[in-house]
Amino acid sequence: AQSVSQHNHHVILSEAASLELGCNYSYGGTVNLFWYVQYPGQHLQLLLKYFSGDPLVKGIKGFEAEFIKSKFSFNLRKPSVQWSDTAEYFCAVTRMGGSQGNLIFGKGTKLSVKP
Amino acid sequence: KAGVTQTPRYLIKTRGQQVTLSCSPISGHRSVSWYQQTPGQGLQFLFEYFSETQRNKGNFPGRFSGRQFSNSRSEMNVSTLELGDSALYLCASAVLGKRGSYEQYFGPGTRLTVT
Repeated sequence: AQSVSQHNHHVILSEAASLELGCNYSYGGTVNLFWYVQYPGQHLQLLLKYFSGDPLVKGIKGFEAEFIKSKFSFNLRKPSVQWSDTAEYFCAVTRMGGSQGNLIFGKGTKLSVKP
Repeated sequence: KAGVTQTPRYLIKTRGQQVTLSCSPISGHRSVSWYQQTPGQGLQFLFEYFSETQRNKGNFPGRFSGRQFSNSRSEMNVSTLELGDSALYLCASAVLGKRGSYEQYFGPGTRLTVT
């Protein structure tokens, strides 16, 4: 069965620090990869996505992620975090083709940014 | 475009009762998926509907059911509620993108508390 692992449960950073959140998935076939963000009191929002092509994808608010197929990884990065980035971040995967309405999520990483 | 809407936003039910939750997708989206979010299990896929047909189902007991109407609106029903059904229930709608992949857009969720 497919699964997604997010290595860090809670990350605490100071403003302007760099961020990298790890995500690994287990599935042998072709996948679509996503990062979602849930700000306090708000609903899940799509941060960025990878379907095919350039493995380095850029999303909203200065976030980017790199798909490394050989490592089954899709890590999220941001060079300089802001207090407003405080949120919970979820990595998700779905298989390419067929029914894609079944997102498999990681457990999430809570990011706290100190001002 | 209006986003995904879910009603009601909050619900308190007693063990043994049943509950129906409603989801209106973004206009033009024909796929609707449902997820359960709890602190312990995270985000778990319940089922997906496309053009009134259930296309995919997660690993939940038969007490969880759903349906989709011709206007793409969807409902999910939970019968014989248990305390463990307390959760945030999220609905997501999707449309097939240019490269043959879905992006799911989430609603704010219905917070169900079972007492």
